[in-house]
Amino acid sequence: DQQVKQNSPSLSVQEGRISILNCDYTNSMFDYFLWYKKYPAEGPTFLISISSIKDKNEDGRFTVFLNKSAKHLSLHIVPSQPGDSAVYFCAAKAGGGNKLTFGTGTQLKVEL
Amino acid sequence: AAGVIQSPRHLIKEKRETATLKCYPIPRHDTVYWYQQGPGQDPQFLISFYEKMQSDKGSIPDRFSAQQFSDYHSELNMSSLELGDSALYFCASSSWPSGGQYFGPGTRLLVL
Repeated sequence: DQQVKQNSPSLSVQEGRISILNCDYTNSMFDYFLWYKKYPAEGPTFLISISSIKDKNEDGRFTVFLNKSAKHLSLHIVPSQPGDSAVYFCAAKAGGGNKLTFGTGTQLKVEL
Repeated sequence: AAGVIQSPRHLIKEKRETATLKCYPIPRHDTVYWYQQGPGQDPQFLISFYEKMQSDKGSIPDRFSAQQFSDYHSELNMSSLELGDSALYFCASSSWPSGGQYFGPGTRLLVL
């Protein structure tokens, strides 16, 4: 049972444009959400997070939006850069617990 | 900045052998997490430790055990290895109760 879903396995965007990565979840107990970026042969790198008490969190070029009623969150990258090309994982956790539940990842390719 | 260190980076073992993976968290981080990522899969949470005590448990097989030591480093011990244990094992650390987990580069285990 995949509780965190990233339905787009890949996304291709032109440099300078906006990248929008989507994530849906089914467990209503999730109250903290995180985005990670992963390059080949490296561990996931923490990007940005959002608590369920917020609907938006912004950090530089990265903004995460949370729609609790739809159980949906998205990561916006503006402007997209070639160095952003990586696999992006959405993750969630519940009730102050430790474990992260990951989505299956979206491969972002930013083209020149 | 110092990152999470994992050793070894690569490990080849035969079935029924044992393996020990080590994780050195970011300085002043008191919580470590272990994840297993099989080929083409998302990372799956195994176990976590806070202040040397197990704080959460996921899909860790009974053949595996882990502990966190007084210097906060952690070891994942894997016995009676099976072919299906071949995976990338990530360690992450955080400063409790921070939401952001910072991942190491992973240990790639191959069981032959």
